[in-house]
Amino acid sequence: DGGITQSPKYLFRKEGQNVTLSCEQNLNHDAMYWYRQDPGQGLRLIYYSQIVNDFQKGDIAEGYSVSREKKESFPLTVTSAQKNPTAFYLCASSILDYEQFFGPGTRLTVL
Amino acid sequence: AQTVTQSQPEMSVQEAETVTLSCTYDTSESDYYLFWYKQPPSRQMILVIRQEAYKQQNATENRFSVNFQKAAKSFSLKISDSQLGDAAMYFCAYKWVPYTGANSKLTFGKGITLSVRP
Repeated sequence: DGGITQSPKYLFRKEGQNVTLSCEQNLNHDAMYWYRQDPGQGLRLIYYSQIVNDFQKGDIAEGYSVSREKKESFPLTVTSAQKNPTAFYLCASSILDYEQFFGPGTRLTVL
Repeated sequence: AQTVTQSQPEMSVQEAETVTLSCTYDTSESDYYLFWYKQPPSRQMILVIRQEAYKQQNATENRFSVNFQKAAKSFSLKISDSQLGDAAMYFCAYKWVPYTGANSKLTFGKGITLSVRP
């Protein structure tokens, strides 16, 4: 079955630690995206990538980093510079101009 | 900058009844797409319906239909014959279509929580 997988489902981080969230898709989509969702808020774009080895900052990129070494994979690292990382993180992919399809999400909690 | 506004944070509907969720947006562009996404308690975002701005005909997907008013910049979602499984958070989203064909980001509203009463 084609789809988007995110792992882990739940992630706990200690203060000062970097953590990496995984996102994999087998839909052969060119574009991939990372969003952050907080209670009472819509989704806010962190980073996006339209092609391998290229990515652009979204609206709230500070404290995050990404890589796009393979078409199928777009991992997100939450660095210690992100002051308030507790949130729900969603990965999505699309055929460039078309609608985005989402993964099941990762819930990150800072201890 | 484009903005999407969902002014009602919560709505409730009786099972089998019809409910309309409101969305307005602000843009100076003429070419764009509008979407409604559903986020059930599982938190998986699911595309409900899509509308291209150049199309005058309102999009329909089974029990879901939209009322797209381009001049008023309004994009409401109508759910007919509401079912318990429709209970979820619903997000309206906007995507500009650059004439260059380049990709552009989705802008989301803050969402509305819909509850369905049995």
